[in-house]
Order: sequence, then structure tokens, then C-alpha cells
Amino acid sequence: NAGVTQTPKFQVLKTGQSMTLQCAQDMNHNSMYWYRQDPGMGLRLIYYSASEGTTDKGEVPNGYNVSRLNKREFSLRLESAAPSQTSVYFCASSGLESTDTQYFGPGTRLTVL
Amino acid sequence: GENVEQHPSTLSVQEGDSAVIKCTYSDSASNYFPWYKQELGKGPQLIIDIRSNVGEKKDQRIAVTLNKTAKHFSLHITETQPEDSAVYFCAASRGKLIFGQGTELSVKP
Repeated sequence: NAGVTQTPKFQVLKTGQSMTLQCAQDMNHNSMYWYRQDPGMGLRLIYYSASEGTTDKGEVPNGYNVSRLNKREFSLRLESAAPSQTSVYFCASSGLESTDTQYFGPGTRLTVL
Repeated sequence: GENVEQHPSTLSVQEGDSAVIKCTYSDSASNYFPWYKQELGKGPQLIIDIRSNVGEKKDQRIAVTLNKTAKHFSLHITETQPEDSAVYFCAASRGKLIFGQGTELSVKP
């Protein structure tokens, strides 16, 4: 099992460019999440998907969109990147219960110039 | 909404000593408190968790305590080893995880 995989690992964008971060899990989990990690601020939830076909906003959704393509895949899109979106992005997945362990991917380091 | 405060932000100990990281939370309805370890360049990994109906949980050299009345919980690592060096995050949840700011632990040989 690969667990949670993310692509790309690194990305540099110019302000105003768009891109999609990809995430896939092979653990048959129902729930998937996107977080961003900034120095001194821990991880903050951007969007989550409790099950295939549903998505909901987290703490910091502005400037992002998501798509739950199927049970395995959950993508994060930046339509018009801004320097404030420079961060490390993590995807995670878990079972249905709120107390189920969340398993994290290796992260995507994004720099917006 | 929930707010989680974590202290200290950095912690340096000698190999073999104990390390303690503390977190406080604001939402009394939170019922799940996991701890994650993040090594350099990797994603966070769960090391231990505790539910609100339990006061303490141990797993080898790691233990977590929860005080629901005071709304704080702590991670205790005994007999620290260099491989314990990492960033540790606490989190609180009543549905979605809210993370603390992280503690960078350095264990010196």
C-alpha cells in the first residue's frame, strides 16, 4: 500500500497562475482533507470531503476549490495564485468516524512569486 | 470555534531525559485529542491519541494525559532518543481536527 500520495512535490508559480494539486489514497477511506502548513501556525484545514460526492469548507477556504473525483482522489485547485498561498500543502484521509486516524501524504511545497 | 494553544514552541533535552509538551483547548465539546510527529520533509504521523472518556494513555515511552476540567492535555516522552527529534503537533476535535502550533523537539546525544 502506498497510503496517501501527492503530486507534485514542489511547485513554483507566478502570481495569477493556476494549478491543481493532486491527492490519491489506496486505503479505501471515505473522508479526505486538504491542509496548509505555515511556520508557527500548525496545520489549518482548507477543505474536506466526508464522502464521495460531498465537499465542505474548512478554516481557510478562500482562494481554493476542490474536487472529489472519486473515492480515491481529491484535488485542490488554485485558480489565481497569490503570494499568501505560499505554503506546504498536505492531503490526508481517514475513515468515517471523527475519531478515526488521519493519514497524511508527504506534502507539496508551493512557492508563489 | 475551537482554539488550541501549544507550548513550548521549541524544546531541547539531553538523550535519556524526559520531554513534556502541553496543549490547551477552548471548546469543551471536543472529545478526541491526537498527537502527531512530523519528521523533516514528511507528513505528520499519528503517535498516540486519547478520547475524552479516558484520563491517561501509555504506549511504551510515550504517554498522554487529559484534564477535561482544565481543558488541557499533555504529551510525555520518557528516555528520549535522538530519533525522537521532530516537530510534534497536538490537535483537538469534535468533528474536525484543530491543530496546535507545533513544538520542535531536539534530543542531543
